Amino acid sequence: GNSVTQMEGPVTLSEEAFLTINCTYTATGYPSLFWYVQYPGEGLQLLLKATKADDKGSNKGFEATYRKETTSFHLEKGSVQVSDSAVYFCALSQGGSEKLVFGKGTKLTVNP
Amino acid sequence: GAVVSQHPSRVICKSGTSVKIECRSLDFQATTMFWYRQFPKQSLMLMATSNEGSKATYEQGVEKDKFLINHASLTLSTLTVTSAHPEDSSFYICSAWTGGADYGYTFGSGTRLTVV
Repeated sequence: GNSVTQMEGPVTLSEEAFLTINCTYTATGYPSLFWYVQYPGEGLQLLLKATKADDKGSNKGFEATYRKETTSFHLEKGSVQVSDSAVYFCALSQGGSEKLVFGKGTKLTVNP
Repeated sequence: GAVVSQHPSRVICKSGTSVKIECRSLDFQATTMFWYRQFPKQSLMLMATSNEGSKATYEQGVEKDKFLINHASLTLSTLTVTSAHPEDSSFYICSAWTGGADYGYTFGSGTRLTVV
């Protein structure tokens, strides 16, 4: 079945450091890939997505590229801020209204 | 953009009582909604998928009679935790598939249920 494996945290960085959170997936065909962010006590917000190979999703300085050859969708940001502290989830969907399959989440803490 | 409103945000109930959580799509029609339970240390567990006008599809291991899901309209899905017990205490999150050209999934803000 479909699955998502993401880097286990927690991850602690200093402000302005470079961020990478690794995400790999197992799926048939060409799933859509997502990154969601969850701030404390809240639901999930879509951060970015990519629907086909080599697509790059980007938002708020975060980027991730859909790599079919390595079945990966790593999240990166060049310079993190304290406000980026949150839990980040990688997820995939087979499309349409199919359910999302989530990774376990990575907690990021950015210190000033 | 698409907005999903989830209520209540927090609820405390006594053991043995039932609690209803509502999930509404405010500016779109949600033919499919999903209910998740979030455990400590972050992981999200899909409980069920609900389609408007039909019975929900529950994931393996989720008790249908305990977690009643009703998706009676295109803008409202409800989760009722029946005969709640302390082990049902958790963070419950709903999500709706938004469809369309910019398709994706929009999440509610979650409900913190505490059973005492």
